[in-house]
Amino acid sequence: DTGVSQDPRHKITKRGQNVTFRCDPISEHNRLYWYRQTLGQGPEFLTYFQNEAQLEKSRLLSDRFSAERPKGSFSTLEIQRTEQGDSAMYLCASSRGGAQETQYFGPGTRLLVL
Amino acid sequence: AQKVTQAQTEISVVEKEDVTLDCVYETRDTTYYLFWYKQPPSGELVFLIRRNSFDEQNEISGRYSWNFQKSTSSFNFTITASQVVDSAVYFCALSSGAGSYQLTFGKGTKLSVIP
Repeated sequence: DTGVSQDPRHKITKRGQNVTFRCDPISEHNRLYWYRQTLGQGPEFLTYFQNEAQLEKSRLLSDRFSAERPKGSFSTLEIQRTEQGDSAMYLCASSRGGAQETQYFGPGTRLLVL
Repeated sequence: AQKVTQAQTEISVVEKEDVTLDCVYETRDTTYYLFWYKQPPSGELVFLIRRNSFDEQNEISGRYSWNFQKSTSSFNFTITASQVVDSAVYFCALSSGAGSYQLTFGKGTKLSVIP
């Protein structure tokens, strides 16, 4: 299996700009997760998809954040009107589901908002 | 609410020493799952182990071993004969068995193995 891939790996943007990140899960994994990790902290859950359905959203996911997973394959995470506080590593994970649910993570997208 | 506490922020050991990373968790669920992940400097989280709440057997994998004790809500991780390549941030995580699959992570323990 190829692992979870994320694009871009790094993004620098100016405050107020919109950014979009992409995640390609491990093939045949029907669950996909987004997490955010700030410096010195553990990852924090943002949202989760089962196939194309977004089933859970954290209160961390403000109105400026939107995630999609069309056709249940890759997913995109968009942040509108970025703020400096959005600077973080955005991690994507996927899992097969079932009794041995284990999430496998991608390399992350590091966002810096100037 | 679920919570994971990793009280050790940073640990330094000399190569070949054994080291134990502590993890204490809180949950109201009777069924839950515990995980350890490794995050090397490259940033990618690498899955190490998953443990179900109903399985308290300890596990050994090479130089790695895990001690799960429900009575103390702990899931500690020991590296035997540490190596420089073990230097990383290690995260303990918890997920509910009640339909929510999100992982709740601790703040991580940064392990530095000095040659």
